[in-house]
Amino acid sequence: DIQMTQSPSTLSASVGDRVAITCRASQSIDSWVAWYQQKPGKAPKLLIYKASFLESGVPSRFSGSGSGTEFTLTITGLQPDDFATYYCQQYIFYSYSFGQGTKLEIK
Amino acid sequence: QVQLVQSGAEVKKPGASVKVSCRTSGYTFSNYGITWVRQAPGQGLQWVGWISAYNNNTKYAENVQGRALLTTDTSTSTAYMELRRLTSDDTAMYYCARNPSADFWGQGTLVTVST
Repeated sequence: DIQMTQSPSTLSASVGDRVAITCRASQSIDSWVAWYQQKPGKAPKLLIYKASFLESGVPSRFSGSGSGTEFTLTITGLQPDDFATYYCQQYIFYSYSFGQGTKLEIK
Repeated sequence: QVQLVQSGAEVKKPGASVKVSCRTSGYTFSNYGITWVRQAPGQGLQWVGWISAYNNNTKYAENVQGRALLTTDTSTSTAYMELRRLTSDDTAMYYCARNPSADFWGQGTLVTVST
């Protein structure tokens, strides 16, 4: 099975900051990565699919990059609503797995 | 609009089985798959399995292989997840989501396994 190693596990930042979360796959997964935001008590929300495509309705301050084994989610100009937990997920070969999650906290 | 509506919370004893439904609407059911994901209390997301609503092909995570059964009913655009031989480790919120990139999610079904 493909493992996704996500870092950092916790990230403290301020409103207006630029932050980056990374995921490393245990083998090449081309661009088959998605990023999700989850708030307490809610289902995850898709932000980015196929590594760099912004889901409809998601603010443009979210962006994704990478291919192969290294992927990054970047949030430029943090807003109060962005403090949540973020997960990467690989979805190649219909055998999916998630990263461990990154909790983005207010500094 | 696309909606996935899941069945209500369940409380089961160890060794029992549970079946969770995910009723979809707003899109052509057979054009997509359904992914099932679970989240234990305070933990991260864990993929459970996937089913194609087109041809019923399935794939399961190793830790539920042999205990989980994913099915669909195209007449009602509903997907089902059955999990057998429950243990306390199966206590979690279970979500269905539309494949392949999980762009729409159900609201979640809490399954509690307890004596």
